[in-house]
Amino acid sequence: DGGITQSPKYLFRKEGQNVTLSCEQNLNHDAMYWYRQDPGQGLRLIYYSQIVNDFQKGDIAEGYSVSREKKESFPLTVTSAQKNPTAFYLCATQTGGERGYAEAFFGQGTRLTVV
Amino acid sequence: GESVGLHLPTLSVQEGDNSIINCAYSNSASDYFIWYKQESGKGPQFIIDIRSNMDKRQGQRVTVLLNKTVKHLSLQIAATQPGDSAVYFCAERESGGYNKLIFGAGTRLAVHP
Repeated sequence: DGGITQSPKYLFRKEGQNVTLSCEQNLNHDAMYWYRQDPGQGLRLIYYSQIVNDFQKGDIAEGYSVSREKKESFPLTVTSAQKNPTAFYLCATQTGGERGYAEAFFGQGTRLTVV
Repeated sequence: GESVGLHLPTLSVQEGDNSIINCAYSNSASDYFIWYKQESGKGPQFIIDIRSNMDKRQGQRVTVLLNKTVKHLSLQIAATQPGDSAVYFCAERESGGYNKLIFGAGTRLAVHP
């Protein structure tokens, strides 16, 4: 079954805790992304990675960290420095495509709630 | 399910009617545009894309129109069905750099029988 797997689907975090969201893909795509989605807003880019062992900050990287040790995996850690972490988190992958004209494929998301 | 986009603009249509969802994009340098459909509690799904050297592209029951003069993108859905009810996002890619997609805020489409 090919695709992008995000886990867990629901995650609860106590204030002051770090939590890690998993994203695994078997599409053999080079690029991977993390987006945050809040009600009434579009998707905002947190981090992205073009290749293994390389990643770049997106528009809202503060309070988050990532790693890209394997092509298949791009975990996102929400740290205690993120003041308002309750949101829906989406992982996406993208192949290079012809000169980069390629859509992003999304996982099913992780809903993070601070309790 | 998840309440994605509680405060999004909503387009209400009757089943069988045609729907037109509009999007104003931000960057005149963007060269690639995509429409996504997101159902409650799920990740966005690709619907159709268009490059900036085109002004129209058709898929199955969907058509995307691009007006670069006014930086406007629209998605037309023919014979709208209840299964089309979802939030629709447009995304743009800035040319010349990394393949970063910038998403609009989204529009909720509600299809009534």
